[in-house]
Amino acid sequence: IAGITQAPTSQILAAGRRMTLRCTQDMRHNAMYWYRQDLGLGLRLIHYSNTAGTTGKGEVPDGYSVSRANTDDFPLTLASAVPSQTSVYFCASSDGQGLDGYTFGSGTRLTVV
Amino acid sequence: GQNIDQPTEMTATEGAIVQINCTYQTSGFNGLFWYQQHAGEAPTFLSYNVLDGLEEKGRFSSFLSRSKGYSYLLLKELQMKDSASYLCAALDSNYQLIWGAGTKLIIKP
Repeated sequence: IAGITQAPTSQILAAGRRMTLRCTQDMRHNAMYWYRQDLGLGLRLIHYSNTAGTTGKGEVPDGYSVSRANTDDFPLTLASAVPSQTSVYFCASSDGQGLDGYTFGSGTRLTVV
Repeated sequence: GQNIDQPTEMTATEGAIVQINCTYQTSGFNGLFWYQQHAGEAPTFLSYNVLDGLEEKGRFSSFLSRSKGYSYLLLKELQMKDSASYLCAALDSNYQLIWGAGTKLIIKP
């Protein structure tokens, strides 16, 4: 089934630890995105990539890094996790200019303690 | 700055009609999306409007007025399964989606 796979589904992480959230899509979409969603704040863009080999910063990039080595994969890394990074993380992708909408992964629920 | 406003929460009765409003201010505009998000799940695409007017898709309709920076999502014949958050998002001049915080819709029997 075409779509986006995120892993892990959920994770409890000790503060200060490094963590990579995985995201893989099989739709050959050129653009990919990482969002965090917190209660009352809606979806906030962390980083994005318009094509393989390029990345850009979103609204809340501090403490996060991404890479886009190929079309399918777009991992998000927390170099040294802090409790304020406790959130639900969604990966999304879109084709072209996004006029067909974004397709979302099922999310990763991350708790930093 | 860029901004999307929509009500935080609405309550409606099963079988009734509800209208969820959204106003937007963006740097350029390339269309308005509505997404549905059930609790604990990912957002799913409902509609896309880029021209003024009403787009109907089954029980759901979406309206856009570009001159007023305004959209609404109309849900008819409400069912309990329509209880969810509804997210309004505008596509700006860089083809980036600007998201509202979402409207939590509670359906009562």
